[in-house]
Amino acid sequence: AQSVAQPEDQVNVAEGNPLTVKCTYSVSGNPYLFWYVQYPNRGLQFLLKYITGDNLVKGSYGFEAEFNKSQTSFHLKKPSALVSDSALYFCAVRDMGGGATNKLIFGTGTLLAVQP
Amino acid sequence: KAGVTQTPRYLIKTRGQQVTLSCSPISGHRSVSWYQQTPGQGLQFLFEYFSETQRNKGNFPGRFSGRQFSNSRSEMNVSTLELGDSALYLCASSLIAGVLADTQYFGPGTRLTVL
Repeated sequence: AQSVAQPEDQVNVAEGNPLTVKCTYSVSGNPYLFWYVQYPNRGLQFLLKYITGDNLVKGSYGFEAEFNKSQTSFHLKKPSALVSDSALYFCAVRDMGGGATNKLIFGTGTLLAVQP
Repeated sequence: KAGVTQTPRYLIKTRGQQVTLSCSPISGHRSVSWYQQTPGQGLQFLFEYFSETQRNKGNFPGRFSGRQFSNSRSEMNVSTLELGDSALYLCASSLIAGVLADTQYFGPGTRLTVL
C-alpha cells in the first residue's frame, strides 16, 4: 500500500535561515509526489510536484523539493525562510493501487513556524 | 481563471440532520474529488467523480454520498449527522481522471460543525 510519512510535527526556523520539511514515501512503482501548503482557515495550495526527470523540482513562492529515490524521500526546501511561510505543509503521493484514480494519500502534515 | 469554489463556507448542524455541500471546479476541469480533514484523522479521501460517474470511494460509511452534474459541479451529502462528522470538507478539481501527473487544485473548504 502507498503511504507517506512526515516525521516532524513541527519545524521551527528563524527568518532568513534555510528550511527543510521532511517527507518519505512508500510506493510500488514510480512515485508521483506533491507538496501542498495550508494557511489557517484555508484550503490546500499546490506548491510543486515530482513526476519524473530532474530530482530537484522548483515550485511556487521560492520553494523547491529534492527527490531521492534511494532514500525514498521528497524533502521540501527553501533557501531563506519568511515569517509569511508559517503554515501547515502536506506531502502527498498519488494512489497507484486502484487503477485510474486521482486519489491522493496525504502525510500527517508539518507545522512550519518561522520566527522573526 | 477562477479557482475552485465551495459553498457554504461554514455550516452548523445538529446530530441526526443531513447536509449538502457544493463544489464548483475550475473552468474546464472535469474531475472532482472530496476529502475530509480532521485533527485526529488528517486528510482522508472520500470519493472522486468524473463525467458524472463515481470512480473511486474511500472508506466511509454509506451516510456519505455524492454526485456530479453535467457541468462538472459536484455535491456531497451526509445524512444522519454524527458529532464525529465535524470537519473541514475539501473539494479538489483536476482536468480529467486517471492522469497520474495531473495536479489537483483545492477549494477553501466547508467547515461543518455538528452539535
